[in-house]
Amino acid sequence: GDSVTQMEGPVTLSEEAFLTINCTYTATGYPSLFWYVQYPGEGLQLLLKATKADDKGSNKGFEATYRKETTSFHLEKGSVQVSDSAVYFCALIPGFQKLVFGTGTRLLVSP
Amino acid sequence: DTGVSQDPRHKITKRGQNVTFRCDPISEHNRLYWYRQTLGQGPEFLTYFQNEAQLEKSRLLSDRFSAERPKGSFSTLEIQRTEQGDSAMYLCASSSGESSGNTIYFGEGSWLTVV
Repeated sequence: GDSVTQMEGPVTLSEEAFLTINCTYTATGYPSLFWYVQYPGEGLQLLLKATKADDKGSNKGFEATYRKETTSFHLEKGSVQVSDSAVYFCALIPGFQKLVFGTGTRLLVSP
Repeated sequence: DTGVSQDPRHKITKRGQNVTFRCDPISEHNRLYWYRQTLGQGPEFLTYFQNEAQLEKSRLLSDRFSAERPKGSFSTLEIQRTEQGDSAMYLCASSSGESSGNTIYFGEGSWLTVV
């Protein structure tokens, strides 16, 4: 079935470091891909999305490129801030229109 | 656009009691979803509605769980005879249902603690 695999966390970085969180997927057809962020005690906020191969989603300095050949959608940011500390979820919508989530990756950024 | 609204945000209940959560989706969104999230895990799909029709239910949704969306607007999720294993955050989400780039927006969640 459709699934998303994310790198295990926590990812611990110093402020201004480069961030990569790996995400790969298995899906039939051509899913849309998403990154959501969850701050402590809160719901999920959409961070960025890509709907077809080679699309790049970007928001708040975060980027991810839909790579169909490697079935990947890795999240990157050039310079992280303490305020980026949160849990990041990679997700996909396959043909039947409901989100399938990965297990999440916790990011901890220290000053 | 006020976003997806959930109520209550937090609920503590004794085992065996019934609880009900309410979700108000983004205005004019015809799709409404319920997810459950336990600590350290990603959200798990429970059920979704297209307008007032419940189109899919996960096998996670036991007979003690029931969801309704009577007029195609707000939705309720009721859990009967709660068990400690029901402790989780219950997330509601909505979308316009457009086939291209369908984006699902989440509410802040309703935390349930069963003691």
